[in-house]
Order: sequence, then structure tokens, then C-alpha cells
Amino acid sequence: AQKITQTQPGMFVQEKEAVTLDCTYDTSDPSYGLFWYKQPSSGEMIFLIYQGSYDQQNATEGRYSLNFQKARKSANLVISASQLGDSAMYFCAMRELSSGNTPLVFGKGTRLSVIA
Amino acid sequence: EAGVVQSPRYKIIEKKQPVAFWCNPISGHNTLYWYRQNLGQGPELLIRYENEEAVDDSQLPKDRFSAERLKGVDSTLKIQPAELGDSAVYLCASSPGQPGEKLFFGSGTQLSVL
Repeated sequence: AQKITQTQPGMFVQEKEAVTLDCTYDTSDPSYGLFWYKQPSSGEMIFLIYQGSYDQQNATEGRYSLNFQKARKSANLVISASQLGDSAMYFCAMRELSSGNTPLVFGKGTRLSVIA
Repeated sequence: EAGVVQSPRYKIIEKKQPVAFWCNPISGHNTLYWYRQNLGQGPELLIRYENEEAVDDSQLPKDRFSAERLKGVDSTLKIQPAELGDSAVYLCASSPGQPGEKLFFGSGTQLSVL
């Protein structure tokens, strides 16, 4: 069974600094996708970035990058130049892909607070 | 392009009462998901539809929860009767249906059972 672990319940970062949110995963499927979502206080889940298990390069999307270490089964999210609007819950999630269209399984999340 | 629409946004009911949530996915998205998110936790899947067929409902408490997706578009999730432990945010999501594609989420329905 697939599993996502986020060990940081809460993180603080100074505005304009970079921050890394940790995520480790466990799966026996060689084909999988890793996702990060942001959930502000409004409640909507906002997609940030995706990394496929066979992708050779780490994914990047603007200020977001994914530090993918396959051997360690980690997929940490790096946010550069933090902004006050980045304060939110962040969820790591995974889909196993060999069995077709499987659902996303989420971690428990990390609450990021950006300090001015 | 309109996103995933959910209603109501908030619902407060007394225990043992019925409640229903509605979801309109993004046009053309074949796959629809209902997730439940308890306070301080990540979302957990309740049911997944491929068009009008429920293909994964193993986590749906079938004694009190039911769902339908008529004509493979809109979906309704119902709880009858509601219990105190059902208080949570109920999220609907949709995707085009290809493996590896991201899910698009609605704003959720926050349910409080008193």
C-alpha cells in the first residue's frame, strides 16, 4: 500500500527566504507520480508541481521546485523567495500509475507560516 | 474555464439529520472524486467515479453514506443519518482521466454536525 509521510507539522520562514518542506513516500509500484498541493485558509486545494518517477530532471514551476531523490524515496518541495501569500497548508501526494487511474493519496500536511 | 463547483459552502446540522453535497466537475472530466478532510489531516478518498460508474468506493461508509453521478457529470454525496464524527470538509475533485494527471479541486463543503 502506498504511503506519504510529512514529518513537519509546522514551519516558519522569513519573507524572501527559501524553505524546504519534507516528504517521503513508500510504494512498490515502479511507476508513480508525486504532487504538491497548497491549501490556503479558503480551503481550496491548489496544484503546485508534479514529478513523475521516471522523470530525469527535478520539476520546477516558478518559485517552486521539487527535490526528487528516488533512492531515498523523498520528494521535498522547495519554495524560493517566500512571500506572505505562501502562508498555507502544503500537502504532498502520490498516485501509483501501473494500475491505471488510481486516486491521489495525501500526507498529513505541513503548515507554513511566512513572517514579515 | 470554470473550475469544480461545490455547494453548499457551509452546512450546519444536528446529529441524525440527513445532508447532501453537490459537485459539478470541470466540463469534459471523466473522473470525479469525493474526499473527506478531517481537521488537521490530509484529504482521504471516499469514492471515485469513472463517468457514471463508481470504481473505488472501498472507503465509503455504506451504512450511512451514498453517492451518485447521474449521466456522468454532476455528483451528489449524501449522509443519512449524520453523526458527530462526520464533521469535516468534503472535497470534490475531477480530472480528465489519464494516469499521472493532476486533480482539480473544488472549494469544499464544511460540514458541522452538532
